[in-house]
Amino acid sequence: EAGVAQSPRYKIIEKRQSVAFWCNPISGHATLYWYQQILGQGPKLLIQFQNNGVVDDSQLPKDRFSAERLKGVDSTLKIQPAKLEDSAVYLCASSSNRGQVNEQFFGPGTRLTVL
Amino acid sequence: SQKIEQNSEALNIQEGKTATLTCNYTNYSPAYLQWYRQDPGRGPVFLLLIRENEKEKRKERLKVTFDTTLKQSLFHITASQPADSATYLCALVKRAAGNKLTFGGGTRVLVKP
Repeated sequence: EAGVAQSPRYKIIEKRQSVAFWCNPISGHATLYWYQQILGQGPKLLIQFQNNGVVDDSQLPKDRFSAERLKGVDSTLKIQPAKLEDSAVYLCASSSNRGQVNEQFFGPGTRLTVL
Repeated sequence: SQKIEQNSEALNIQEGKTATLTCNYTNYSPAYLQWYRQDPGRGPVFLLLIRENEKEKRKERLKVTFDTTLKQSLFHITASQPADSATYLCALVKRAAGNKLTFGGGTRVLVKP
């Protein structure tokens, strides 16, 4: 089966500009996650969707970050305006709802550099 | 505050030896714990899951232990190979937290031939 797809793979922007990332999860996976991974650290969950509803966005900086998953399939994450500290890899992951415990499948990530 | 700690120093090990990584947590009561592997430029890949009522789990050359009294998980790679070189991440899930993972910082392993 095809894995989690993300685009673009790399993005360089100036601070105060806007940027958007796209994710297409594994077919049939109801749950979609966006993580931020700063260099040398583990991934940090930004937002979790169940189908097209938000389950957890407690760590999403809502003054500048937004995400949507309108049809319960693919998703976009937007940053507006970007700050220098937003430089990181943004990972998308998905999981199925079969069983109580589900491994997460990660995409390759989008490396964002804010200058 | 809640903390998940992994050794931030890289682990250098000779091929054929056993690599042992630690994951310690404080102020946490995880229902289960997962280990992931991450290669440079790639997303994490799931390796193993262990529940709070399990002491040990094995998968091929990998072994994970989980001690809820010590609040620690150990991850072992036996008969290590250069292809095992990567960063290994532990992730905890709290009870009633859905499938929300909280990751440690990861430990980089370098297996030398």
